[in-house]
Amino acid sequence: AQKVTQAQTEISVVEKEDVTLDCVYETRDTTYYLFWYKQPPSGELVFLIRRNSFDEQNEISGRYSWNFQKSTSSFNFTITASQVVDSAVYFCALSEASSGGYQKVTFGIGTKLQVIP
Amino acid sequence: DVKVTQSSRYLVKRTGEKVFLECVQDMDHENMFWYRQDPGLGLRLIYFSYDVKMKEKGDIPEGYSVSREKKERFSLILESASTNQTSMYLCASTPLVSNSEQYFGPGTRLTVT
Repeated sequence: AQKVTQAQTEISVVEKEDVTLDCVYETRDTTYYLFWYKQPPSGELVFLIRRNSFDEQNEISGRYSWNFQKSTSSFNFTITASQVVDSAVYFCALSEASSGGYQKVTFGIGTKLQVIP
Repeated sequence: DVKVTQSSRYLVKRTGEKVFLECVQDMDHENMFWYRQDPGLGLRLIYFSYDVKMKEKGDIPEGYSVSREKKERFSLILESASTNQTSMYLCASTPLVSNSEQYFGPGTRLTVT
């Protein structure tokens, strides 16, 4: 069975601080995908990144960066110089390929980030 | 721009009513999903569909049914709404290509009184 743990339910930071959102996953598959989504107050989840299990390169996109470590089964997300617009709920998700072609996606419970001006 | 739309942002229904939540996507995606989102529980899959008239149960299908008569439309039905079905309902879609990211609608916040 697959599992995604986001131990931080709520985080508050002051604007311009850096913040890291933790994600730990469990899976028996050797092939899997990891995702991060952002859910702003408007409610719609927005895709941020996908990483497959064979690619452990870290990724940077503007103020966002992701650290994937298979050794610790973690896929952490860092926001540098946080801004008020970063306030949202962030979800980590895990996808395994199924025999039927549909990938079962398991979401973490989400981390609510509040950036205080 | 890709789009998933849901028929209502907010809905209030009475216990025992039949409730229809509609979802439409304009991306010609094969896969469509219904989730419910509750505090402390994250997103839980109710049902999904990988083709017209095809459906599969997710993790929490009890009390729900679905309908997919057309590729672009996926409906969630609460046959007899109960207060424990008060929740945020999210629709999503993906193309047939495996492991694609999901495209989400804005959500419907349903309150059953």
